[in-house]
Amino acid sequence: GDSVTQMEGPVTLSEEAFLTINCTYTATGYPSLFWYVQYPGEGLQLLLKATKADDKGSNKGFEATYRKETTSFHLEKGSVQVSDSAVYFCALLPNPNEKLTFGTGTRLTIIP
Amino acid sequence: DVKVTQSSRYLVKRTGEKVFLECVQDMDHENMFWYRQDPGLGLRLIYFSYDVKMKEKGDIPEGYSVSREKKERFSLILESASTNQTSMYLCASIPAGPSYNEQFFGPGTRLTVL
Repeated sequence: GDSVTQMEGPVTLSEEAFLTINCTYTATGYPSLFWYVQYPGEGLQLLLKATKADDKGSNKGFEATYRKETTSFHLEKGSVQVSDSAVYFCALLPNPNEKLTFGTGTRLTIIP
Repeated sequence: DVKVTQSSRYLVKRTGEKVFLECVQDMDHENMFWYRQDPGLGLRLIYFSYDVKMKEKGDIPEGYSVSREKKERFSLILESASTNQTSMYLCASIPAGPSYNEQFFGPGTRLTVL
């Protein structure tokens, strides 16, 4: 079945450091890929998405590129801020109206 | 803006109690989902519904049931709560159709079963 393997945390970085959170997936066909973010005490919010190979999703300085050849969707940000502290989830959707499959989540803490 | 609300942010119940978790969305979405979130396990799908009075089991339905009597409301029921159901519960919704792939999440209900 479909699965998402996500870099385990927790991850602690200093402000303005470069961030990479790895995500690889297993799926048949051509799923859509997502990064969701969960800030403390809140539900999940969509951070970015990509629906086909070589698409790049971006939002709030974060980027991720859909790499079919390596089945990856790594999340990157060039300079993190304290406000980026949150839990990040990678997810895939095989087809519209089907269920999302989530990774285990990565807790990111940014220290000033 | 799409809004998904959940009836309680925090809930404490005793073992054996019947527990109702309510979720309401205000954007006329056909599809609704219940997940539980546990550290190290990510989000796991409990049940989902494609329409009123329709329900489908997710990956971990044991110990849970659901009710969808109105389109905007999707309830999760723990018939007899147990301590291993202590968790964060998240509801989500999404319109039907091939153009939609973003699920909108509620703020979550943190349930503690003593």
